[in-house]
Amino acid sequence: AQKITQTQPGMFVQEKEAVTLDCTYDTSDPSYGLFWYKQPSSGEMIFLIYQGSYDQQNATEGRYSLNFQKARKSANLVISASQLGDSAMYFCAMREVNSGYSTLTFGKGTMLLVSP
Amino acid sequence: ETGVTQSPTHLIKTRGQQVTLRCSSQSGHNTVSWYQQALGQGPQFIFQYYREEENGRGNFPPRFSGLQFPNYSSELNVNALELDDSALYLCASSGLAANSYNEQFFGPGTRLTVL
Repeated sequence: AQKITQTQPGMFVQEKEAVTLDCTYDTSDPSYGLFWYKQPSSGEMIFLIYQGSYDQQNATEGRYSLNFQKARKSANLVISASQLGDSAMYFCAMREVNSGYSTLTFGKGTMLLVSP
Repeated sequence: ETGVTQSPTHLIKTRGQQVTLRCSSQSGHNTVSWYQQALGQGPQFIFQYYREEENGRGNFPPRFSGLQFPNYSSELNVNALELDDSALYLCASSGLAANSYNEQFFGPGTRLTVL
């Protein structure tokens, strides 16, 4: 069963508008972490934002905010005031802890295209 | 602070050959994880090294092996290459002292093509 689901293969947004990228997750572990990464065409995964399962408030980092709805198991990324440089693949990931080590499980990603 | 570096950036091999990919972890990080990202997919965990020992492995066959050196740099070796091994290979380093949530810092990746 897929642990991270990103249902939007692609999203289009106009410059300066806000956009929401969806992510749902599945885990029975009460302690987990959720990450969003940006991957431009160069390939490097760029960390954007983190939300811990026990965090009371939604995470924010500049223009990025995470809409964390624990009961629904969703962790949507909101990008405000989109810029042309935001065009990239975006991945949602969950940190899992297995027998003393932690790994990231990624979704399939959403391609975001920002138009002028 | 030096970030995560990987070499080479691109590589072309033929089926049956062997390949070694290299990763230098971020300064102060003692844990290295390797991921395989096939075209159009998210990265998949291969294995993780902590203090020169493999301490976790994903669903990859034994022909995927690795090493970590005393300076915490790492190698990923793939034997008997198959066409499906064509992918972007990402290395990520992390350290217990880096963040409370153990953030992984990724390198730029090595793009492997198997013909």
